[in-house]
Amino acid sequence: LAKTTQPISMDSYEGQEVNITCSHNNIATNDYITWYQQFPSQGPRFIIQGYKTKVTNEVASLFIPADRKSSTLSLPRVSLSDTAVYYCLVGGYNKLIFGAGTRLAVHP
Amino acid sequence: NAGVMQNPRHLVRRRGQEARLRCSPMKGHSHVYWYRQLPEEGLKFMVYLQKENIIDESGMPKERFSAEFPKEGPSILRIQQVVRGDSAAYFCASSPAGDSGNIQYFGAGTRLSVL
Repeated sequence: LAKTTQPISMDSYEGQEVNITCSHNNIATNDYITWYQQFPSQGPRFIIQGYKTKVTNEVASLFIPADRKSSTLSLPRVSLSDTAVYYCLVGGYNKLIFGAGTRLAVHP
Repeated sequence: NAGVMQNPRHLVRRRGQEARLRCSPMKGHSHVYWYRQLPEEGLKFMVYLQKENIIDESGMPKERFSAEFPKEGPSILRIQQVVRGDSAAYFCASSPAGDSGNIQYFGAGTRLSVL
């Protein structure tokens, strides 16, 4: 299973765009890239998933370069409620492998 | 459409007692997964079940832990003779059969405290 590396923490301010990059150098050909969000005392929540290029939904965008060795989660105009831990997952079809994630703190 | 339901939300047990954690998957989902999370850490996979079958229990401790997903009713994670090290948040997730990319939907978790 591909290992992922992402920053331990990030700080931002309300209204800014936040980009969280995840490295996954050993990604396999059939692996998807999936991002989850977790608030304190809650279970992870699916945000977005992609295979290549760019995916956008109502919450975020996911940018994946051609070599797929990294991906960037982009959160437009964050608010205080976006303060959470963000996990980047690769592969693990039936066994999701969570790292420590990125703790995003959004300040007023 | 109700999400994944876990109960109880909080469970307190004394060392040596049994803990039973229940999980009802989302409607239409036949795959259930259990994860454990220690404070300040990511979730760790424990077991993957389909109705009446354990598919992958590679993350489950060999002793005291068991899981089931019967034909009728919720999935149960059972911990016998609990010890203080079992204190953690236990999350259940579900997914529909054959979901490409396997997006899993998580419950709010059960927080087990062992005194």
